[in-house]
Amino acid sequence: DTEVTQTPKHLVMGMTNKKSLKCEQHMGHRAMYWYKQKAKKPPELMFVYSYEKLSINESVPSRFSPECPNSSLLNLHLHALQPEDSALYLCASSQDAPVMNTEAFFGQGTRLTVV
Amino acid sequence: EDQVTQSPEALRLQEGESSSLNCSYTVSGLRGLFWYRQDPGKGPEFLFTLYSAGEEKEKERLKATLTKKESFLHITAPKPEDSATYLCAVQAWGGGNKLTFGTGTQLKVEL
Repeated sequence: DTEVTQTPKHLVMGMTNKKSLKCEQHMGHRAMYWYKQKAKKPPELMFVYSYEKLSINESVPSRFSPECPNSSLLNLHLHALQPEDSALYLCASSQDAPVMNTEAFFGQGTRLTVV
Repeated sequence: EDQVTQSPEALRLQEGESSSLNCSYTVSGLRGLFWYRQDPGKGPEFLFTLYSAGEEKEKERLKATLTKKESFLHITAPKPEDSATYLCAVQAWGGGNKLTFGTGTQLKVEL
């Protein structure tokens, strides 16, 4: 099973709202990721968690707040977003060092629209 | 800084017309090169991992190869259901699991 489950599939939020995106995997992966993808562009890395610790933050604005409650779950808390934050948000997971096979498996994404 | 360039940006093939997609990369110590397929509005679907020059992987009509500077995704006798965007990504040693993606090749296979 190589499934990464993201909820919700679609989200519309106002600029003053607070919402959260959720991601779950049961593959025993210890690295989890958030990516942002705009139309006709490649995925752009936001955050990486390694063994439940934040290991990479790609200078993401503080209105995006990641959380990794345990090794299977990853959340992205959203607050005071701007319309330009509208995008497909992708969660991914992979095995972590020292394992060689570190291919990332992606969820189906959350389509976020900020109005 | 790691860089990945994919060509062509878009490719239109007739069903059964074989072709190749290119992924050129610059990375400080390649840990792995990955190919993904992405359908519109969906997450990328993992296809292959290549680790060292000379390595090849196959799956149905797809075959991925790797040299020290580039990777090719060969599509043999494509079908309309192979239409998608194909993404190449690299991961470097010491990069903390970060994937650097190319901009993708949008493939359309017509009857």
